[in-house]
Amino acid sequence: GAVVSQHPSWVICKSGTSVKIECRSLDFQATTMFWYRQFPKQSLMLMATSNEGSKATYEQGVEKDKFLINHASLTLSTLTVTSAHPEDSSFYICSARAGVITDTQYFGPGTRLTVL
Amino acid sequence: GENVEQHPSTLSVQEGDSAVIKCTYSDSASNYFPWYKQELGKRPQLIIDIRSNVGEKKDQRIAVTLNKTAKHFSLHITETQPEDSAVYFCAASPYSSASKIIFGSGTRLSIRP
Repeated sequence: GAVVSQHPSWVICKSGTSVKIECRSLDFQATTMFWYRQFPKQSLMLMATSNEGSKATYEQGVEKDKFLINHASLTLSTLTVTSAHPEDSSFYICSARAGVITDTQYFGPGTRLTVL
Repeated sequence: GENVEQHPSTLSVQEGDSAVIKCTYSDSASNYFPWYKQELGKRPQLIIDIRSNVGEKKDQRIAVTLNKTAKHFSLHITETQPEDSAVYFCAASPYSSASKIIFGSGTRLSIRP
């Protein structure tokens, strides 16, 4: 089956620093990847849609200059949280869609970010 | 945009009984409805999905029904087992939005022994 990995699985950083999270599709090429944020005991909130070779599409209310997304290849998308603050502490999950004719998305294991 | 509402937020059932979770969606153009199971601290796992050209789909103890006219869909789990305890999310994918998935608020299912 399709496998999506994320790195790191958890990260602790100081307020004001930037953190990069990687999302990789291991055994398929992902034309589209999605980034979600999940606060404790809440649902997954879509942050942005990442398309290989083009700019990401951000959901309403998500600051594109704060959450930088790069989808440089068909197997890798990165999310950089810039100038992180404690309120950015959350569980960040990516998903990947294998091809343009399938709706199925495969989720990564998530990255727990804690900003001190 | 699409809005997905899910009920109940918590559900406790006796082991062996059935559990039903209901969702409604707002965008009539949505055509793909997956259900995910998420255990604490882990990734969501797809357990079943249904497309808008089908009214019902079953996979062993799990079934999903879809009513396009009323814009609601439901998850049915029969003969519940302790390992069914988790948070379940319904979702809808608007056809016109590059297959992005909008999640419901989640249902915490607890199976009582």
